[in-house]
Amino acid sequence: DAKTTQPPSMDCAEGRAANLPCNHSTISGNEYVYWYRQIHSQGPQYIIHGLKNNETNEMASLIITEDRKSSTLILPHATLRDTAVYYCIVRLYNFNKFYFGSGTKLNVKP
Amino acid sequence: DAGVIQSPRHEVTEMGQEVTLRCKPISGHDYLFWYRQTMMRGLELLIYFNNNVPIDDSGMPEDRFSAKMPNASFSTLKIQPSEPRDSAVYFCASGAGTGNVAAFFGQGTRLTVV
Repeated sequence: DAKTTQPPSMDCAEGRAANLPCNHSTISGNEYVYWYRQIHSQGPQYIIHGLKNNETNEMASLIITEDRKSSTLILPHATLRDTAVYYCIVRLYNFNKFYFGSGTKLNVKP
Repeated sequence: DAGVIQSPRHEVTEMGQEVTLRCKPISGHDYLFWYRQTMMRGLELLIYFNNNVPIDDSGMPEDRFSAKMPNASFSTLKIQPSEPRDSAVYFCASGAGTGNVAAFFGQGTRLTVV
């Protein structure tokens, strides 16, 4: 699986958009980009995933660059409850393993 | 659906004792994963099953660790004998089918070996 690079931490003001970047420059054509988050010591929570096109759901938006070498997770209106570690994962289409890196610690501040 | 259910939520045991962690996946899911999380090593994939069959156990740290999935609705992770360095949070996750699907995690079991 392709490797991902994320900043170790980011701050965001409550109510503002949080934009979390992820670099996956070695991604191949049949690999998907997934985002999970982990709040405190809870189990990781699935957020969103995509292949080429931008995706949006009730939690977030995922923007993937045209060359697919990087992506950005957007939380449109961050709240204090969005404070968590966010993981960007690249995974092959034929569903087997999810490997988690070190993620980005997002601190949402009042 | 209740999601992935793990038990117990917390376990404290003495070194040398056998520990069994339990997981009930989401009904209908045919993939099951066991992960371990520590501050030092982050989230590590230990083993995963497809249709109750172990597919890859390369992440299992030692022979002291074993996992079984006797049926589609139940899996166990056993540590025998346990050691203090096994202290961690153990997560179970399940997923359905193939393709662009996600894995869903339980709330974890916090294991402390003293």
